[in-house]
Amino acid sequence: NAGVTQTPKFRILKIGQSMTLQCTQDMNHNYMYWYRQDPGMGLKLIYYSVGAGITDKGEVPNGYNVSRSTTEDFPLRLELAAPSQTSVYFCASSLAGQGRQPQHFGDGTRLSIL
Amino acid sequence: GNSVTQMEGPVTLSEEAFLTINCTYTATGYPSLFWYVQYPGEGLQLLLKATKADDKGSNKGFEATYRKETTSFHLEKGSVQVSDSAVYFCALSDRTGTASKLTFGTGTRLQVTL
Repeated sequence: NAGVTQTPKFRILKIGQSMTLQCTQDMNHNYMYWYRQDPGMGLKLIYYSVGAGITDKGEVPNGYNVSRSTTEDFPLRLELAAPSQTSVYFCASSLAGQGRQPQHFGDGTRLSIL
Repeated sequence: GNSVTQMEGPVTLSEEAFLTINCTYTATGYPSLFWYVQYPGEGLQLLLKATKADDKGSNKGFEATYRKETTSFHLEKGSVQVSDSAVYFCALSDRTGTASKLTFGTGTRLQVTL
């Protein structure tokens, strides 16, 4: 059971570079989410999607973009990397269910912007 | 807006000690409540959940009861083990709208020693 798979696990970027964090899930979940986790803090929601072709902003969307062309994949794009985007990024997915269904998380991508 | 407040860590206990990690929340309506655990280098895993007032979630010896009157969801375990060392996150899921957006506490690090 793969669950939620994130790649890469680690990455170092220079300021101004761009990259895409990949996320795929094999549980046929409609809902997918991107979070960032800063040291000593809880997770903050960046973007989420309720199905293919539908995305919406979370709490901290600035500097990021997402797309959802298939049910399985939900990539997160950083266009102009900034030091403030140094963080650990988690992708998650869940079934529909009006908040009752738990989210399933990937192992994270640790990103450093230097 | 929604918020979750957890007791600050780290919490250091000897093996077989009793554990309590306090969690209180602020939310509109009737959220679902969750405890997630994060082991080093891994993503978050659901530990337990409760979806309505007075529900008790339980798993692996951990328990938490949804207390609407005190807006609390404290995590307890009667006898901790070294393998329970991890970061524990309390979270709530807003049932408004179409997505199950989670609001997390800042996490409480638990260290269990022999």
